[in-house]
Amino acid sequence: KQEVTQIPAALSVPEGENLVLNCSFTDSAIYNLQWFRQDPGKGLTSLLLIQSSQREQTSGRLNASLDKSSGRSTLYIAASQPGDSATYLCAVPAAYSGNTPLVFGKGTRLSVIA
Amino acid sequence: ETGVTQTPRHLVMGMTNKKSLKCEQHLGHNAMYWYKQSAKKPLELMFVYNFKEQTENNSVPSRFSPECPNSSHLFLHLHTLQPEDSALYLCASSPRQNYGYTFGSGTRLTVV
Repeated sequence: KQEVTQIPAALSVPEGENLVLNCSFTDSAIYNLQWFRQDPGKGLTSLLLIQSSQREQTSGRLNASLDKSSGRSTLYIAASQPGDSATYLCAVPAAYSGNTPLVFGKGTRLSVIA
Repeated sequence: ETGVTQTPRHLVMGMTNKKSLKCEQHLGHNAMYWYKQSAKKPLELMFVYNFKEQTENNSVPSRFSPECPNSSHLFLHLHTLQPEDSALYLCASSPRQNYGYTFGSGTRLTVV
């Protein structure tokens, strides 16, 4: 059974700092990995999707890496801003087959202090 | 808007009420999902529909009843809920496994 763990559970940094969020998963036979952002009381916004054949994906100040063999992914946020404050969730499909539901970590709650 | 629309955004209901949550997508996706998010817990999968057919029921109590009349619409019918059912209910869709998932904004449900 796939399980996803995110460390740290919460993080507070001053504005402008670069930071790394960690995600690990127990079954390395994944099809892809997705990072989401969730603002308080809101739905999820997809940030980055990394296919199993890829090592990393970039979007603006965000860079996500994937190491399938070790069961790890990191989300790097450069030059953090107060608007980056949110909960960041990592998710992988539950099984290596079509249209499988996602398994989520509990998330990392990020606070960027101005 | 993400392309997945959920209504209502907020719902307060008594334990004896019957209500329905609605999810709609016009992204051409063939799979739709209901997830539940309670405070301090990971998102919990409730139901999965592929091409209008239910393919997964994650041991959800019968007071939650899903309905998928077509590939663009998904409902969650609620009756005789308990206060512990209060949560954010999220709908999602996906085209196929390689292309990622799109979530709606959720319905914040409060059972009183």
